[in-house]
Amino acid sequence: DIVMTQTPLSSPVTLGQPASISCRSSQSLVHSDGNTYLSWFQQRPGQPPRLLIYKISNRFSGVPDRFSASGAGTDFTLKISRVEAEDVGVYYCMQATQFPYTFGQGTKLEIK
Amino acid sequence: QVQLQESGPGLVKPSETLSLTCTVSGGSISSDYWTWIRQPPGRGLEWIGYIYNRGSTNYNPSLKSRVTISVDTSKNQLSLKLSSVTAADTAVYYCARGKGVVPSVWGQGTLVTVSS
Repeated sequence: DIVMTQTPLSSPVTLGQPASISCRSSQSLVHSDGNTYLSWFQQRPGQPPRLLIYKISNRFSGVPDRFSASGAGTDFTLKISRVEAEDVGVYYCMQATQFPYTFGQGTKLEIK
Repeated sequence: QVQLQESGPGLVKPSETLSLTCTVSGGSISSDYWTWIRQPPGRGLEWIGYIYNRGSTNYNPSLKSRVTISVDTSKNQLSLKLSSVTAADTAVYYCARGKGVVPSVWGQGTLVTVSS
């Protein structure tokens, strides 16, 4: 299985300041079809996960543009340009390039 | 806008079969990928598997011998069956509609506890 490793596991951030989460995969996530199926999800307390980003850098419908993502191969990053109170929660990366699809262990974003 | 709602017993005895239903409204279950994912209390996410094209499936090998995902197009429902459950199967179970293979719209989830 592809192992997804996120850093940091916890990220205290000041409101209005940027935040960044890293996700590293144990193998390249480039699919034979040329796409890289790396996604990011946000899970607010008591809520189901919500898709933020798919195929490395594409924002899903309704996702604010303060969320951006980048990366290639095995290294990926999610960035929040200015953290708002509603961004508190746990963020997961997920690979859907190789079966079984796997998630990172999660990064908890909290306000300082 | 498509909405998903999971339902089923909240308590299942060890060695029995867990059966859940996901009712889809606002969209047809006849197309797209439909996924089940679970989350043990206080822990991370585990992909269980998906179904697409009304009957083609892919399962997590760690569960493959015990899991069945199916759809009932007449009821617009997705189902999950997991046999021979143990306490390790205690989790919140989510169904999700895919944007391709990526789970894009999720249900609220349902907690299933395995206990005698």
